[in-house]
Amino acid sequence: DIQMTQSPSSLSASVEDRVTITCRASQTISRYLNWYQQKPGRAPKLLIYSASTLQSGVPSRFSGSGSGTDFTLTISSLQPEDFATYYCQQSYSTPLTFGGGTKVEIK
Amino acid sequence: EVQLVESGGGLVQPGGSLRLSCAASGFTFSSCWMHWVRQAPGKGLVWVSRVNSDGSGITYADSVRGRFTISRDNAKNTLYLQMNSLRAEDTAVYYCASSPYGGFSDYWGQGTLVTVSS
Repeated sequence: DIQMTQSPSSLSASVEDRVTITCRASQTISRYLNWYQQKPGRAPKLLIYSASTLQSGVPSRFSGSGSGTDFTLTISSLQPEDFATYYCQQSYSTPLTFGGGTKVEIK
Repeated sequence: EVQLVESGGGLVQPGGSLRLSCAASGFTFSSCWMHWVRQAPGKGLVWVSRVNSDGSGITYADSVRGRFTISRDNAKNTLYLQMNSLRAEDTAVYYCASSPYGGFSDYWGQGTLVTVSS
């Protein structure tokens, strides 16, 4: 199975900060990397797929990059509604696997 | 509007069974792959199973293989998860999610809670 490691597991940031979350795969996954946002008590929401393609309706302050084993999710200017937990997921092979999550909290 | 609505969760004793359903609307269900993903209380997301658009291709996580069965009825726009031999560690919110190609999940239901306890 491909292991996905996210870092950090949590971070504190202020509104308008630039935030970067990293995700590392235990083996190469090309660009089969997806990012989700989850708020407490809610279902996950797809933000980015194929490493860098923004899902329809997602604000442009979210961006993704990377290929192979190392990937990043960047929020260029953190907004109040962005405080949530973020998960990466590889879809290169089954079992599909998620990272452990990064909780973004208000500083 | 795309809607996925799960049902069938509840409290069940260890060793028992439950069948979850996921009713889909607002998109061409028969063209989409579907996933089940679960989340134990306070924990992260874990992929459970996937079925392709016509039901002929199915994959499971090792932790549920042989105990859970995913299926779909394209005439009823409904996805199912039959869960047998349930264990305490199966306690989680179970989400169904649609997937255009079997990879990323673009739409998710609200989830249904399964609690396995005596």
